Order: sequence, then structure tokens, then C-alpha cells
Amino acid sequence: DTGVSQNPRHKITKRGQNVTFRCDPISEHNRLYWYRQTLGQGPEFLTYFQNEAQLEKSRLLSDRFSAERPKGSFSTLEIQRTEQGDSAMYLCASSFRRTRETQYFGPGTRLLVL
Amino acid sequence: RKEVEQDPGPFNVPEGATVAFNCTYSNSASQSFFWYRQDCRKEPKLLMSVYSSGNEDGRFTAQLNRASQYISLLIRDSKLSDSATYLCVVNIRIDTGRRALTFGSGTRLQVQP
Repeated sequence: DTGVSQNPRHKITKRGQNVTFRCDPISEHNRLYWYRQTLGQGPEFLTYFQNEAQLEKSRLLSDRFSAERPKGSFSTLEIQRTEQGDSAMYLCASSFRRTRETQYFGPGTRLLVL
Repeated sequence: RKEVEQDPGPFNVPEGATVAFNCTYSNSASQSFFWYRQDCRKEPKLLMSVYSSGNEDGRFTAQLNRASQYISLLIRDSKLSDSATYLCVVNIRIDTGRRALTFGSGTRLQVQP
């Protein structure tokens, strides 16, 4: 399978715990995005990498959230001291830089904070 | 006001019907436009890009009106398999060179036998 993959697919945690999600983009894609989606809403942009550089972070990304893409390949999203409001689907997407680029989404990690 | 607004639906239509979805966007600097499809508990997938001159892909037709900041999607001869949520998406370029997509909340379509 050469699509975007995400792990884990599901995560249940207790409030206050830290969680980390991983995204492996399509191999030749140099751009990687994280989005969050809650029930009944479209995905909301969180952050964006071009290669290993994190170029933008949404104001939705509080200081409890951190993302890395150390070698310009896979990326991790960590949430520290989780809160119930963090419960959502976390989606990763990747693209290759060109005009009217298409973003391809992974299957997402569904987080439930109890 | 949301940057991308859609009627949430649901639109319940019989098989074979023609259905149209509308979407408005607030940022006139929006450069690229798309319709994504999302099945229940799945990831969004690109359905089609939307070009200024309008474009068609089989039973699907997309239109863009930049002056009115309005996008539409027309589905002809609806199939049961078309049942999904349709997300209107715009790509807004800002000074940082951002390429993130801004999604509407989606319009849910249910095609009934």
C-alpha cells in the first residue's frame, strides 16, 4: 500500500495522559499536513511541514500540541496533558509541491479522552 | 462567519435523481477549489477540482462563480453509492505560503432505493 498511513488507528486515554500519533506520507511527497475533525464538522488545519520545516501552525494548536518531522519523511503529533475536548479524529495528509496540488489523506487516528 | 459555508443537509433523494449542492466562501484571495467526498468514519477523498470555466467528470459537474464567491456541485443520475458527505474545500494562499485546505462542514447526501 503506497498511500498515507497513520498509527494507531484508535487511541483511548485518560485525561492528563500524553499521546503520540504517527503519520507516514506518500514517499515522494514533500508536504505534510495535520488536521483535526470533530463530529459534524469538516477537517480543521493544525500544522504544515515542507520537508522537515514546520512552516505554519494554526491558533488551534495550543502549547500542549507539538508536531515534528525530523527527517522530512514521517511525522509525529504529540498531545500533552490530554483534555476531553481533544477527543477527535486526527488526520494527516500529504502532497507534492506543484500548482493545484492534491492532498491525499490517511485513514486518521481516532482519539477518545475519558 | 465561517470561511466556507455549506448547507449541512441531509439531502434525501431517490436513485436516479439529480441533486445540487452549493457552497460559499468568504476569502476573495482563495485560489483553488475542490470537492471532497467523505464516507462515514473514513478519510476525505478528492472528488474533483473546480475550475473557473466549470468542469465535468462523468455524472458530476462543478461550477465556480468568483464574483459571487460561490461553488456548486451537480450530481446526475444519483446512485446508492453516492451516499456520503460532500465537503467544499478552498485553498487560500497567504503570506507564509500556506497551502492548507479550508473545509466546509459538509453536506450529507442519502440516496434511497
